[in-house]
Amino acid sequence: QKEVEQNSGPLSVPEGAIASLNCTYSDRGSQSFFWYRQYSGKSPELIMSIYSNGDKEDGRFTAQLNKASQYVSLLIRDSQPSDSATYLCADYGGSQGNLIFGKGTKLSVKP
Amino acid sequence: NAGVTQTPKFRILKIGQSMTLQCTQDMNHNYMYWYRQDPGMGLKLIYYSVGAGITDKGEVPNGYNVSRSTTEDFPLRLELAAPSQTSVYFCASSPQGGGGELFFGEGSRLTVL
Repeated sequence: QKEVEQNSGPLSVPEGAIASLNCTYSDRGSQSFFWYRQYSGKSPELIMSIYSNGDKEDGRFTAQLNKASQYVSLLIRDSQPSDSATYLCADYGGSQGNLIFGKGTKLSVKP
Repeated sequence: NAGVTQTPKFRILKIGQSMTLQCTQDMNHNYMYWYRQDPGMGLKLIYYSVGAGITDKGEVPNGYNVSRSTTEDFPLRLELAAPSQTSVYFCASSPQGGGGELFFGEGSRLTVL
């Protein structure tokens, strides 16, 4: 049974700081990973995907993947109160219907 | 484009009642999914479909049924509702080859009393 583990938080950071969200996965064969953001009472929305080892940057967001350590992270630079949400890490096993979500980490950015 | 539309947004059921959650998408996506999300938990896949006429079970299919007669629609049927089915239900779709890139509806909050 594939698993994705995340610290549930809450993770609290001051405005302007770097928020670091982490995720580990159990399936060494997994290739693709996704970060979804979910505001309270809303549906998840995709913010980042990463497929290869290393870093992928998109604006204030950087996704990092280390397949040897089975570790995925999301860095949010210059955190804003509007970044306060739950961040879900997901492992895509390579076939449809095989997207495994972690329980999510709640991020709170304090003004 | 409306994206993925779910109805109803809220519903209260009595134990043993049945109902259908509707989901429709206007993005011509082949793949559609139903997830449930319990408080503090991640998303659990109930059923998915890779195209009209094709459905398959996910991680937690018991107590639910689905059908996919058209590309656009993917209704979820709850038979004999139980308190354990109290949850928020999300419908999602993805384009062919989209992998883990899902587009979610706004969710349907169901309470079974």
